[in-house]
Amino acid sequence: NAGVMQNPRHLVRRRGQEARLRCSPMKGHSHVYWYRQLPEEGLKFMVYLQKENIIDESGMPKERFSAEFPKEGPSILRIQQVVRGDSAAYFCASSSLAGDSGANVLTFGAGSRLTVL
Amino acid sequence: RKEVEQDPGPFNVPEGATVAFNCTYSNSASQSFFWYRQDCRKEPKLLMSVYSSGNEDGRFTAQLNRASQYISLLIRDSKLSDSATYLCVVKYSSYKLIFGSGTRLLVRP
Repeated sequence: NAGVMQNPRHLVRRRGQEARLRCSPMKGHSHVYWYRQLPEEGLKFMVYLQKENIIDESGMPKERFSAEFPKEGPSILRIQQVVRGDSAAYFCASSSLAGDSGANVLTFGAGSRLTVL
Repeated sequence: RKEVEQDPGPFNVPEGATVAFNCTYSNSASQSFFWYRQDCRKEPKLLMSVYSSGNEDGRFTAQLNRASQYISLLIRDSKLSDSATYLCVVKYSSYKLIFGSGTRLLVRP
């Protein structure tokens, strides 16, 4: 019973390039969340998606960042024209219950560490 | 002011010691509270939920004081394997988890 799978685990990009981070939720989970963790800081909510729907993207920077969770395949977090400040660990979490359920428990993936040179 | 504030530490304690971490949160509408543990360069993992009446799980005890908007975690009989960063997490009125920056614990032999 695989957990939340993220890849790549480590990604190095030069400024101006694109980064694509992938997240496959746990089996049976249809709710996906992306969080970002900057060095020495806590995780910050970015976006909440269900299959083919973005429910809440209030934590996403307005430019260069986008997320999707297609009907088939993993959720993708895409960062265009990366800058040094995008260097961080990006964690994906999934749940089986709707996001506003009080009993909702998130399971986190191992994260993708992006380094921008 | 941060939504969830924690002392970053590090707390450096000998094996067997008792150590307590505190956390304050700013939003009085917060509904759910948790402690997560994060090992170096790993994902956060749920340690325990925190209930108003206080709750215990083995060597770990969590307390919540809604009036003071304060959460605590007590670890008794510290083990080397307890060395990690402990994240205070608050959830309010939605699915967003608000994480503190974490308190680092080092347990020495």
